[in-house]
Amino acid sequence: AQSVTQLGSHVSVSEGALVLLRCNYSSSVPPYLFWYVQYPNQGLQLLLKYTTGATLVKGINGFEAEFKKSETSFHLTKPSAHMSDAAEYFCAVTQGANFGNEKLTFGTGTRLTIIP
Amino acid sequence: GAVVSQHPSWVICKSGTSVKIECRSLDFQATTMFWYRQFPKQSLMLMATSNEGSKATYEQGVEKDKFLINHASLTLSTLTVTSAHPEDSSFYICSAMSREQYFGPGTRLTVT
Repeated sequence: AQSVTQLGSHVSVSEGALVLLRCNYSSSVPPYLFWYVQYPNQGLQLLLKYTTGATLVKGINGFEAEFKKSETSFHLTKPSAHMSDAAEYFCAVTQGANFGNEKLTFGTGTRLTIIP
Repeated sequence: GAVVSQHPSWVICKSGTSVKIECRSLDFQATTMFWYRQFPKQSLMLMATSNEGSKATYEQGVEKDKFLINHASLTLSTLTVTSAHPEDSSFYICSAMSREQYFGPGTRLTVT
């Protein structure tokens, strides 16, 4: 079984400030981890993913996340927030290794608000 | 590349009627598509896995006779909500597999 916990359903940061969105996972096997962004009334867009290899992964729009196995975490960061970053962010996990049939388990989401 | 479309983007139907939602992979073939449901301000819940040419696999608690899924081709999966009720009102999102899941823009269903 696998699960994802996102701490903080709502995060507000000032424009230009550091963005930190927290994600902890539980998985009985090595996980594949994902961060998605959702804008209002739209589907999900992949920001970045960790499968194997380098634990610090860089994604689109200046976001990055670090896989820390000892902490079972995959927190999302961005050094300087931009107004366009305001959206809902979802962390997800899959057990992977089953190409073509990966069931994603999503966290409950974090709504990011940027203060001008 | 890797674009997934959904149609319609929003639909309003009366209680007791059925409504069909289409999910298309526009520039790739997908043997596997997924259907999710998202309630307001909540996460996505996987409803079913749709495999081309075979029956869909439903998650526990999802009524297969109410949510009919047909994956008739490598680029099209449909979700039909039968005898819709107000509690079926939700945002339905599909995704298609091509090395990773690509998500459609979603369909907002309102049952009156």
